[in-house]
Amino acid sequence: DSGVTQTPKHLITATGQRVTLRCSPRSGDLSVYWYQQSLDQGLQFLIQYYNGEERAKGNILERFSAQQFPDLHSELNLSSLELGDSALYFCASSHKAGANTGELFFGEGSRLTVL
Amino acid sequence: AQSVTQPDIHITVSEGASLELRCNYSYGATPYLFWYVQSPGQGLQLLLKYFSGDTLVQGIKGFEAEFKRSQSSFNLRKPSVHWSDAAEYFCAVLNYGQNFVFGPGTRLSVLP
Repeated sequence: DSGVTQTPKHLITATGQRVTLRCSPRSGDLSVYWYQQSLDQGLQFLIQYYNGEERAKGNILERFSAQQFPDLHSELNLSSLELGDSALYFCASSHKAGANTGELFFGEGSRLTVL
Repeated sequence: AQSVTQPDIHITVSEGASLELRCNYSYGATPYLFWYVQSPGQGLQLLLKYFSGDTLVQGIKGFEAEFKRSQSSFNLRKPSVHWSDAAEYFCAVLNYGQNFVFGPGTRLSVLP
């Protein structure tokens, strides 16, 4: 158990809909990362938050947004869903924001299926 | 831009055989290097990491990796593979001020 909790574990929805994925980082971790894992794209970095503020942005679509709340949990919002958004979405946490981040602790992921 | 390549998409070895998974990175300076393992239905777990110092690093589950600056490589090895090692393995780099970049992964199958 990494200590990172993601909900829901599985989600099935239709094209055009909007979903919210939730992540609770390990106790004490200030950084939260979101990754998308699909068969054709591999593990893609979406966005990182550190102590409530956006720290780095990767290949995140404009239809997607995220935030980190004062209690350090994070939510990834996916809107106007397309078939190609079907993927496994991982949240990871670490203690520090940048260099010497060291280990990332991953949750078990949220599997999104868009029909 | 920094990148990570794992030339082998899928490797099959027999239980008890030795294993080497290849990883090459592209970056001007020496990055921080990591190997993660993903078991089916699970998140990624850190096997080992290299920041500096001894170029041969030991990790969990009997894995080790060797950093070779001249070859920009960080290959993962295990002398004797167990059936439970069947999983997906990801090499990753982190440069100062940047974010983690993961390789495409190598899927390991283990024959009984």
